[in-house]
Amino acid sequence: DVKVTQSSRYLVKRTGEKVFLECVQDMDHENMFWYRQDPGLGLRLIYFSYDVKMKEKGDIPEGYSVSREKKERFSLILESASTNQTSMYLCASSLTGDLYEQYFGPGTRLTVT
Amino acid sequence: GENVEQHPSTLSVQEGDSAVIKCTYSDSASNYFPWYKQELGKRPQLIIDIRSNVGEKKDQRIAVTLNKTAKHFSLHITETQPEDSAVYFCAAYYNAGNMLTFGGGTRLMVKP
Repeated sequence: DVKVTQSSRYLVKRTGEKVFLECVQDMDHENMFWYRQDPGLGLRLIYFSYDVKMKEKGDIPEGYSVSREKKERFSLILESASTNQTSMYLCASSLTGDLYEQYFGPGTRLTVT
Repeated sequence: GENVEQHPSTLSVQEGDSAVIKCTYSDSASNYFPWYKQELGKRPQLIIDIRSNVGEKKDQRIAVTLNKTAKHFSLHITETQPEDSAVYFCAAYYNAGNMLTFGGGTRLMVKP
């Protein structure tokens, strides 16, 4: 059974703080993704990675960066958090041969005050 | 890039009725269309998908249809039950961007 975990379920940070969101998957998946989920906007892709140290921008990369030093771990970084980054953040992973089916983590609800 | 629109944003049905959610996409090269279900407080999970070489796919009470010419696809749930209540997301696989683009979601409420 695929397991995707995220470091926190809830997080409250102040404007300007540096924020790290961690995602770990235990199924040896090559691909990992970070989305943010906002009401009425669905899931929007921030960044994805198809291999260690590789990253690709998604639809809304501005204000975010990512790091993938190990295959199982994909980190989302907010260099200087802003209130408009208050959102639910979802991590997902998938195999390369089956790129399409993505398995999601439980989500991190981030509030920036 | 790809643009996916989903309607309606909310849908309320009586238990036992059918529910239909529709999505349109913009990139004619998209070839994979999954549907995810997200129950309250839980992660999205794939419930059914369809590839562009097929017009319809069924799995028990849920079915998905695809009209490539019109660039739209739909999710059909028959004999709805209270446990079908959730937010449903459609998505299209955007070849050039190598990523999934999601619709805005539909909150389905099934009244007992």
